[in-house]
Amino acid sequence: RKEVEQDPGPFNVPEGATVAFNCTYSNSASQSFFWYRQDCRKEPKLLMSVYSSGNEDGRFTAQLNRASQYISLLIRDSKLSDSATYLCVVNSGTDKLIFGTGTRLQVFP
Amino acid sequence: DTGVSQDPRHKITKRGQNVTFRCDPISEHNRLYWYRQTLGQGPEFLTYFQNEAQLEKSRLLSDRFSAERPKGSFSTLEIQRTEQGDSAMYLCASSLGQGIGEAFFGQGTRLTVV
Repeated sequence: RKEVEQDPGPFNVPEGATVAFNCTYSNSASQSFFWYRQDCRKEPKLLMSVYSSGNEDGRFTAQLNRASQYISLLIRDSKLSDSATYLCVVNSGTDKLIFGTGTRLQVFP
Repeated sequence: DTGVSQDPRHKITKRGQNVTFRCDPISEHNRLYWYRQTLGQGPEFLTYFQNEAQLEKSRLLSDRFSAERPKGSFSTLEIQRTEQGDSAMYLCASSLGQGIGEAFFGQGTRLTVV
């Protein structure tokens, strides 16, 4: 089983749609969780951290379910500029950041 | 520019040659990571350093791969006797250290083995 699993997509959604991505992780000792964004042919960049209580940053909401070892990212009111690959990232507990395969999002007009 | 820098940006090499890539992290960052990324995949963890100490190298893809960070600043990743399957983007990232989640990535070195 992969340490971090994501649906690779692609998710093709119209502008204004709400889209949700899910991620599961295998190491129950994992301590912290993140979503990174990667644009085509660019390096990954931190989008947001994921906290147990859930957190929101504008149109983006991240949630963590430790019992189910599950992380989610919700994007509301999708913009064309949201088109990218969204990477689920887990800190293994030894500060080793493990990335999922990424979920590709394409927002169309 | 005070971000993570990698050199070279692109490398084309013949199969069987050795290659070395350099990464200069953000100056105050003591954690440094190496990843490999192939098309359609997320970054695959290779190894990481806390200052000059290599904390894990078991994920290095084979004994042809080695990494160093001799003075706790810049790092090098060497691939000996390159194979076509080594063709990929090699990404370096740095972070402030223990418990600090955000890792900043360099733009990567794209390796093509012909």
